[in-house]
Amino acid sequence: QSALTQPPSASGSPGQSVTISCTGTSGDVGGHNYVSWYQQHPGKAPKLMIYEVTQRPSGVPDRFSGSKFGTTASLTVSGLQAEDEADYYCISYGGSNNLLFGGGTKLTVL
Amino acid sequence: EVQLLESGGGLVQPGASLRLSCATSGFTFNSYAVNWVRQAPGKGLEWVSGITGSGAGTYYADSGRGRFTISRDNSMRTVYLQMNSLRVEDTAIYYCAKELTGLTRGSFDIWGQGTKVTVSA
Repeated sequence: QSALTQPPSASGSPGQSVTISCTGTSGDVGGHNYVSWYQQHPGKAPKLMIYEVTQRPSGVPDRFSGSKFGTTASLTVSGLQAEDEADYYCISYGGSNNLLFGGGTKLTVL
Repeated sequence: EVQLLESGGGLVQPGASLRLSCATSGFTFNSYAVNWVRQAPGKGLEWVSGITGSGAGTYYADSGRGRFTISRDNSMRTVYLQMNSLRVEDTAIYYCAKELTGLTRGSFDIWGQGTKVTVSA
């Protein structure tokens, strides 16, 4: 199976909102509600930001939200802050106990 | 505090074997699935393998199927990844990651710090 498709980069100014997309197929993103999003700062381990499409773990600011329409999931970061600058990855359950990551999106806060 | 600590990485030649370990603490070990995720230098994340909380289910990405074996020792609270016939393209930082549930679904709430594997002649 191919990796999920994410834009390589995204950007926004402090206080603005930015949305990152994650496109798959009916066999993964479109067929299951197991899409998660991770934030990774340079040299650090990834951090879970969203799971099961829309769920936010405790401790993650409510500025981060997730959604899905058809075969595309999205992560929206509202009220951008400097510390949000990082790489973001989506992952989806692909059926048959297979997991697929997206290629990652580098978010720049201008 | 929930913690995962990987070990076992190193520099090996193509065709060699390595066994990675993921020692855990702070949670009911056999209630949660654990996965291995890798990241090649300058590249994105890649799911490698997962094992259910019970240990009954083991799953692999195509890249490692037939070469890698995941297992868990509940008495030692440790998950292992046995990697055989290593290739240059297996060079990466390998992270272990705990799932939110006993199933492999990609919801990794706790990650280790990673162990570096370099495969080079």
